Amino acid sequence: AQSVSQHNHHVILSEAASLELGCNYSYGGTVNLFWYVQYPGQHLQLLLKYFSGDPLVKGIMVFVAEFIKSKFSFNLRKPSVQWSDTAEYFCAVANTGGFKTIFGAGTRLFVKA
Amino acid sequence: EAGVTQSPTHLIKTRGQQATLRCSPISGHTSVYWYQQALGLGLQFLLWYDEGEERNRGNFPPRFSGRQFPNYSSELNVNALELEDSALYLCASSLLLHGYTFGSGTRLTVV
Repeated sequence: AQSVSQHNHHVILSEAASLELGCNYSYGGTVNLFWYVQYPGQHLQLLLKYFSGDPLVKGIMVFVAEFIKSKFSFNLRKPSVQWSDTAEYFCAVANTGGFKTIFGAGTRLFVKA
Repeated sequence: EAGVTQSPTHLIKTRGQQATLRCSPISGHTSVYWYQQALGLGLQFLLWYDEGEERNRGNFPPRFSGRQFPNYSSELNVNALELEDSALYLCASSLLLHGYTFGSGTRLTVV
């Protein structure tokens, strides 16, 4: 069965620190990978997605994610976080048929100003 | 373009009652997905509807059911409510492979 594991449930960083959120998935077939973000008081929105091609995916607001197939990982990174990045981040995996998407438990990021 | 709309925003029910939650997808999206977001548990897949039919369901009891109407809007019904059904219920729509667009959710509280 598909599963998604996010390594940290809570992360606290100071502004300008670098961010890396880990995500590992379990699925034997070809997958599509996503990161979603939920800012306080707002609904979930798509941050970036990987379907194929360059394993380094650039999303909005300088976020990037790297797909490493051999490690079944899709980690999210940002070189310098801002207070406005405070949010909950969800990694998600779907089979290429797109029939359903499995989400990780989420990582709550708090950035101190 | 209107986003995914859900109603009501909040719903308070008594244990044993039934709850009905509604979702309107983005125009042109035929697939609707329902997720339960309980505190600390992330998003748990509930149901997927496409072209009026249930295509897949998650590991939830049969008292969680729903339907999709000809205009692609959808309804989620939860019968015989239990306290642990209290959660945020999210609806999403998509064009396959493009990622989801989520609604703001319905906060269901069972007392």
